[in-house]
Amino acid sequence: DSGVTQTPKHLITATGQRVTLRCSPRSGDLSVYWYQQSLDQGLQFLIHYYNGEERAKGNILERFSAQQFPDLHSELNLSSLELGDSALYFCASSVDYRADTNYGYTFGSGTRLTVV
Amino acid sequence: AQSVAQPEDQVNVAEGNPLTVKCTYSVSGNPYLFWYVQYPNRGLQFLLKYITGDNLVKGSYGFEAEFNKSQTSFHLKKPSALVSDSALYFCAVRGPVRAGNQGGKLIFGQGTELSVKP
Repeated sequence: DSGVTQTPKHLITATGQRVTLRCSPRSGDLSVYWYQQSLDQGLQFLIHYYNGEERAKGNILERFSAQQFPDLHSELNLSSLELGDSALYFCASSVDYRADTNYGYTFGSGTRLTVV
Repeated sequence: AQSVAQPEDQVNVAEGNPLTVKCTYSVSGNPYLFWYVQYPNRGLQFLLKYITGDNLVKGSYGFEAEFNKSQTSFHLKKPSALVSDSALYFCAVRGPVRAGNQGGKLIFGQGTELSVKP
């Protein structure tokens, strides 16, 4: 157990639907990052939240959105789903980057989304 | 822009032989470099990192990596491969740290599939 919890582990849904993926970071980590892993695109950074605020955006579609709540868990919302959104979605959490010697990223086990 | 390249899609090694998985990077400033491993249908597991200090970094499961600044490389190595090492390996570099982004995202290479045969 890495300490980063993602739910659900598997999700099967139809095109056009909306889903919510959840991530609870490791205790004490303020940053949450979301990644999409697909066969053709590899690991793509989607978005980064720090202590409730968005800090950076990557290749995130407008149909996707995220937020981080006061208890630091994060949710990734995917709407108007298309077949091409089928992928493994990971979240990671990290300690404050200023704590250099302990700096690192811890990944959850991912949510496998299948759009049919 | 920060980037990472893993030039080999696949590496095949016989059990007991040494293995190397290659990674080169491009960063502005000091690099923060990482290696992760992904087993089938699993998440990413941290192997090792280079932030500062000795160029030879030792990590989990007997893996090590050598940071070479002049060649901008961070190759992953293991003296004696095991069949159980067969997995997908990712090299990553931390993205640029700017005021307000609190540390930067990880930028991944495309991954290298390691296959160790008995």
